Amino acid sequence: SAVISQKPSRDICQRGTSLTIQCQVDSQVTMMFWYRQQPGQSLTLIATANQGSEATYESGFVIDKFPISRPNLTFSTLTVSNMSPEDSSIYLCSGRDGFNEKLFFGSGTQLSVL
Amino acid sequence: ELKVEQNPLFLSMQEGKNYTIYCNYSTTSDRLYWYRQDPGKSLESLFVLLSNGAVKQEGRLMASLDTKARLSTLHITAAVHDLSATYFCAVDNGLGGSQGNLIFGKGTKLSVKP
Repeated sequence: SAVISQKPSRDICQRGTSLTIQCQVDSQVTMMFWYRQQPGQSLTLIATANQGSEATYESGFVIDKFPISRPNLTFSTLTVSNMSPEDSSIYLCSGRDGFNEKLFFGSGTQLSVL
Repeated sequence: ELKVEQNPLFLSMQEGKNYTIYCNYSTTSDRLYWYRQDPGKSLESLFVLLSNGAVKQEGRLMASLDTKARLSTLHITAAVHDLSATYFCAVDNGLGGSQGNLIFGKGTKLSVKP
């Protein structure tokens, strides 16, 4: 089973700044994704991180606000840009293990924007 | 548009009792997942159900899938306090081959009391 390391685990940021979240998988995964979990809510997919090309964003999410990189099969970053208090959420990366269909999640980044 | 509905959203159980969490989804899908989330933690993969009639069991938890009824159940047998957590079902949207695009239910917050 793949293990996904995510950092930072939490951060408190000022309005208008940006934060980059990193996600490292211990083995190659076929696909990687970024989700957001707002307080007390379920998970919403932000985008699919495509290796070597632009991410595929879901409705309501745009590249200027959430730029994503995936330079190889084991690493991805998500940047939350020009933050506002509404961006306070848990951000989770996930990866699909091509061998057994499971979708694994990183430990999450709890972001608070003041 | 795929929608996933879970019920109940809150469940308070006594230790030793049995109960079932239900997950309905609105359009055809061939993958359904159950996850557990402890407070402040990431998601732990419990089950992946890949075909109609699939049944999987792990300890006191048993999950089943009826693709014709678009229904999955998570049955809890003889609940213990350690099972207290939030349980999510998620369905693979599978649009355009975008596997791993999961639509999550709102979650069932389970509390097991002595």
